[in-house]
Amino acid sequence: DARVTQTPRHKVTEMGQEVTMRCQPILGHNTVFWYRQTMMQGLELLAYFRNRAPLDDSGMPKDRFSAEMPDATLATLKIQPSEPRDSAVYFCASGLVRDGENFSGANVLTFGAGSRLTVL
Amino acid sequence: KNEVEQSPQNLTAQEGEFITINCSYSVGISALHWLQQHPGGGIVSLFMLSSGKKKHGRLIATINIQEKHSSLHITASHPRDSAVYICAVGRPGGGADGLTFGKGTHLIIQP
Repeated sequence: DARVTQTPRHKVTEMGQEVTMRCQPILGHNTVFWYRQTMMQGLELLAYFRNRAPLDDSGMPKDRFSAEMPDATLATLKIQPSEPRDSAVYFCASGLVRDGENFSGANVLTFGAGSRLTVL
Repeated sequence: KNEVEQSPQNLTAQEGEFITINCSYSVGISALHWLQQHPGGGIVSLFMLSSGKKKHGRLIATINIQEKHSSLHITASHPRDSAVYICAVGRPGGGADGLTFGKGTHLIIQP
């Protein structure tokens, strides 16, 4: 059963510490999204990768957040330094988009189980 | 105004009741997704539809493109259906902004 794997599932850290979240997309999927979920805002897009290249990270606070795909099997989301307002659940999702097309929403996304971050 | 609005925000019902959750959107879409999130957080894709109706077990999703409205129905509801149901829309034309999500409907089915 193919699944998106996220680690860690839970992370509690102190303000100012670096946090790295990892995502292993489904093998063969070429698009990866990072979302953040809070009670107030719901799900928000942070970053979007296609074939490992970042296509959209406009939703991400650039001063402290960074997202990368070192290879096709790993996506990372790093927060440095972390702040209490970063406390949220971070979801990774992957999908397959055909060459020459962009993600249009008419593609099924598979979500990971999420990483729950608490910054004290 | 949010581009995707869901109603109701919260719904509590008795086991066996017929449940309807509504989603309205204000933009052109390529597809609409219904997602389920159980306590504990994992998100599961239930349906993706761009027209008509889809059925899976006790779940039925409908969409009316002209009215920009979709409904998710649960027949013979059961306590295990208790979850947050999220409506999300994708944009046509290859927008690189992923999905736009509603705030979710918190459903509790009491035994």
